[in-house]
Amino acid sequence: DGGITQSPKYLFRKEGQNVTLSCEQNLNHDAMYWYRQDPGQGLRLIYYSQIVNDFQKGDIAEGYSVSREKKESFPLTVTSAQKNPTAFYLCASSIPDKRNNEQFFGPGTRLTVL
Amino acid sequence: KQEVTQIPAALSVPEGENLVLNCSFTDSAIYNLQWFRQDPGKGLTSLLLIQSSQREQTSGRLNASLDKSSGRSTLYIAASQPGDSATYLCAVISSGSARQLTFGSGTQLTVLP
Repeated sequence: DGGITQSPKYLFRKEGQNVTLSCEQNLNHDAMYWYRQDPGQGLRLIYYSQIVNDFQKGDIAEGYSVSREKKESFPLTVTSAQKNPTAFYLCASSIPDKRNNEQFFGPGTRLTVL
Repeated sequence: KQEVTQIPAALSVPEGENLVLNCSFTDSAIYNLQWFRQDPGKGLTSLLLIQSSQREQTSGRLNASLDKSSGRSTLYIAASQPGDSATYLCAVISSGSARQLTFGSGTQLTVLP
């Protein structure tokens, strides 16, 4: 059963702590993405990766870091430098075809800073 | 910079009604446009993808159209049902953007039984 999994579903963090959100896909997609969603808003791109061992900053990368050591995995670390990390985080993946680049999304992780 | 706008922000209709959701984008140089559905607290489900060379796509009761020159897309839902209640998001991939999606803020749809 192919798809994208994210864990945990809910995450609580104390101020000053780093936390890592997991994203795994078994769709054999080359490209993976991390988005942030705030209440009543659309999604904003944090980081994306088009191939293993390569990634680029999106529109709101400050305070976040990523790695792409395996094709299947694209973890996101929310660092203590992120001033307002409470949000819903969504991971996505897509095939390499630029014109038919349908993105598929995971179920999301809701991060709350206490 | 590409901007995507969705109107209305919220919509409430009685069951059985046909309805149209609107999406507009400022830069017509796009690769494709994608419509998504999001249920509360959940991830996004892809509904339809329209490539820049296409005018419309259909899936069941859903029909999405694209007018690239005017920067507009519409999502038509026929014979709405309470199960259609969700937030609908429109997103575009701009040419030269390395496949980044730019999202609108969504239309929250409620279909009343």
